[in-house]
Amino acid sequence: GENVEQHPSTLSVQEGDSAVIKCTYSDSASNYFPWYKQELGKGPQLIIDIRSNVGEKKDQRIAVTLNKTAKHFSLHITETQPEDSAVYFCAASIESNTGKLIFGQGTTLQVKP
Amino acid sequence: DVKVTQSSRYLVKRTGEKVFLECVQDMDHENMFWYRQDPGLGLRLIYFSYDVKMKEKGDIPEGYSVSREKKERFSLILESASTNQTSMYLCASSSSGGQGEQFFGPGTRLTVL
Repeated sequence: GENVEQHPSTLSVQEGDSAVIKCTYSDSASNYFPWYKQELGKGPQLIIDIRSNVGEKKDQRIAVTLNKTAKHFSLHITETQPEDSAVYFCAASIESNTGKLIFGQGTTLQVKP
Repeated sequence: DVKVTQSSRYLVKRTGEKVFLECVQDMDHENMFWYRQDPGLGLRLIYFSYDVKMKEKGDIPEGYSVSREKKERFSLILESASTNQTSMYLCASSSSGGQGEQFFGPGTRLTVL
């Protein structure tokens, strides 16, 4: 079955710096890669996703890149702000009506003011 | 405002007790999921349901069962709670028709003594 590895487990940056979180997946049939952000005391929330027919997607300060050949994808956050501090999860999915996702281990991002 | 609610934020139970965790969504979603979240292990899928009375095992179903008698409600049952089931439990829902955003509840922190 699919396996998703996520690195680093913790990341600390100064406000205004960029942050990058990387994930690799094992099943080449995976074709949907969402990223979720979990703030303290809340459930995860989708922040951006990418499908396998696209190499990069941007939404304001966040972007996701996908390298299908290497089977890895990354989340990039520019101009980080204290409110970006959270746990971030990557996930992968093979298309199905069930919408089942396989999640990575999570990255705790701390943005220091 | 879309919502996934979970019956308890915190729960303390004794070893051997039967435990029910309830999840309700108001978005008329077909798919519902139960995850457990442990530090360093990310979100692991316990069970999911893609229709009323339908269920499928996830990656870690041992020691758990589920019930979905109505579309909006998905229950996770620990038949005989054990200390290694102490964890954060997250419920999520999504619409059918392939990959789409999963909406998460706030989670239930279960402690088994």
